[in-house]
Amino acid sequence: EAQVTQNPRYLITVTGKKLTVTCSQNMNHEYMSWYRQDPGLGLRQIYYSMNVEVTDKGDVPEGYKVSRKEKRNFPLILESPSPNQTSLYFCASTLQGSTDTQYFGPGTRLTVL
Amino acid sequence: LAKTTQPISMDSYEGQEVNITCSHNNIATNDYITWYQQFPSQGPRFIIQGYKTKVTNEVASLFIPADRKSSTLSLPRVSLSDTAVYYCLVGDVTGGFKTIFGAGTRLFVKA
Repeated sequence: EAQVTQNPRYLITVTGKKLTVTCSQNMNHEYMSWYRQDPGLGLRQIYYSMNVEVTDKGDVPEGYKVSRKEKRNFPLILESPSPNQTSLYFCASTLQGSTDTQYFGPGTRLTVL
Repeated sequence: LAKTTQPISMDSYEGQEVNITCSHNNIATNDYITWYQQFPSQGPRFIIQGYKTKVTNEVASLFIPADRKSSTLSLPRVSLSDTAVYYCLVGDVTGGFKTIFGAGTRLFVKA
């Protein structure tokens, strides 16, 4: 089944404790992206990747890192999480950029205390 | 990237046709218009995409006037399960994967 998976689905952590949210897709898509969603703000793009080892900043990259060492995986790294990073996070992949259908993962609800 | 503007919310009743309009005054020649649907705590799901005139699929229709500065998503005979947030996106392949979703339109369908 074609899908995007994220882990963990739920995470409660404390300020400053490094964490990684994994994202994996099995559709051989070139493009992957991370979004955060906060009430009343819709989805905001954090980082995106157009291919292996090619990443770029979205609208809200501060406080986040990503890596794309292989095509199927695109982890989101929070080196020193802060409470303002409490949010719902979505990973997405697409075959050919923003004109193509984006397939979203189930989401990761992160709480930073 | 073209910015989009949508109504914040809309109400409807079951069985009615719902039209949600998106404004994108700065749309570029290479831009396509894509609509997504999102249910609470789920990732958005693709509904429909178009470049100009009219596109129809089994779920919705998309109307795009000649100047392409706006588009209208039409949902025929909505049901309670169509209650969701609907996002209009404008983007082109030459812009890579930078994407702006906006706040979306919250549609509430009543019985």
